Amino acid sequence: QQPVQSPQAVILREGEDAVINCSSSKALYSVHWYRQKHGEAPVFLMILLKGGEQKGHEKISASFNEKKQQSSLYLTASQLSYSGTYFCGTALMEYGNKLVFGAGTILRVKS
Amino acid sequence: DAGVIQSPRHEVTEMGQEVTLRCKPISGHDYLFWYRQTMMRGLELLIYFNNNVPIDDSGMPEDRFSAKMPNASFSTLKIQPSEPRDSAVYFCASSHLRGTGELFFGEGSRLTVL
Repeated sequence: QQPVQSPQAVILREGEDAVINCSSSKALYSVHWYRQKHGEAPVFLMILLKGGEQKGHEKISASFNEKKQQSSLYLTASQLSYSGTYFCGTALMEYGNKLVFGAGTILRVKS
Repeated sequence: DAGVIQSPRHEVTEMGQEVTLRCKPISGHDYLFWYRQTMMRGLELLIYFNNNVPIDDSGMPEDRFSAKMPNASFSTLKIQPSEPRDSAVYFCASSHLRGTGELFFGEGSRLTVL
């Protein structure tokens, strides 16, 4: 049930773009994206709901392909502050069901 | 507003000892989740509660682990007896049914079992 994330790690220079993918073998109701910095708790970035509703903040966007049960997180014009580990979490049912996280994608932005 | 509060932040104990981790969710949140994070297994959901009632505990590793939520403002995760393989960071998170679905995580409790 754990979603699969790719790539496992990516290194960027400031200003470059990155895409992180998340896929599931099960039908999803929602996909969450979180970022975790070393030694800190995960912080919410974005939620994508079945039906296309999208909520988030910052200069980060995401998509949710319901037919393929895939989501992608787009980080454009990356900044040093974007460094961290990105996790997607997937819920199989309407809000309230358990949120299962992928293994994470380590993103490092260099100056 | 205060976020999710966990205690202790760090715990070092010896194998066989009882460990109790505590969590105070954000006031008004209906859901409370306990996650465990290790390098090998990532973020694992152990158990979650809705309105103080355990909904899914299928992630609890074994009978040595137990969790309670006696009221809306307090939850505990207990390990008895503890083993070295229980060493991990344990996160508590809460959310509100009518919100965006966002999980608010506490700062975590880092457990080391010697």
